Amino acid sequence: NAGVTQTPKFRVLKTGQSMTLLCAQDMNHEYMYWYRQDPGMGLRLIHYSVGEGTTAKGEVPDGYNVSRLKKQNFLLGLESAAPSQTSVYFCASTKGEVQPQHFGDGTRLSIL
Amino acid sequence: DQQVKQNSPSLSVQEGRISILNCDYTNSMFDYFLWYKKYPAEGPTFLISISSIKDKNEDGRFTVFLNKSAKHLSLHIVPSQPGDSAVYFCAASEMWGTYKYIFGTGTRLKVLA
Repeated sequence: NAGVTQTPKFRVLKTGQSMTLLCAQDMNHEYMYWYRQDPGMGLRLIHYSVGEGTTAKGEVPDGYNVSRLKKQNFLLGLESAAPSQTSVYFCASTKGEVQPQHFGDGTRLSIL
Repeated sequence: DQQVKQNSPSLSVQEGRISILNCDYTNSMFDYFLWYKKYPAEGPTFLISISSIKDKNEDGRFTVFLNKSAKHLSLHIVPSQPGDSAVYFCAASEMWGTYKYIFGTGTRLKVLA
């Protein structure tokens, strides 16, 4: 059981570069989420999706875009990376409402 | 505005004793609460949840208590084991319609052997 898989696990970018983080789940879950974790800040929701083809903004969406073209995949894009986006990014999925989330192991992203 | 607060960044407990982790929330619309455990370099894993129609839920060594009037929940771990050393996050959600979970900042638990 793979569960939720995040690619890549680590990445270093220069300011202004772009990149896409991939999240894949094999549990046929409807809802998927992207969070960032920063010291002393807990997990903050960036964007989420309640089904294929849908996306919505979370608490801290600025500087990020997302797409959910296939039910099993949720992509997080940084168009022009900034040092403030240095963080650990977690993807999660859940079967439906009132269900616990399943998390990937995170992507550690550093922006120089 | 932090809607879910974990005011203790860290906690140390002797092996075999009780660990009590606390969480406060401000949004009275929250009615579903969860605890997650996180080890370094791994994602959070679900531990236990409770809905607002209950005030207690148990799963083995883990018990979550909910005090709706005080907007407070706590996680009790009895007995504590060294393998319980991790960061614990509480999270809250409105059960229907919002799809979003709001997380606290986490409490690092260290169980001393």
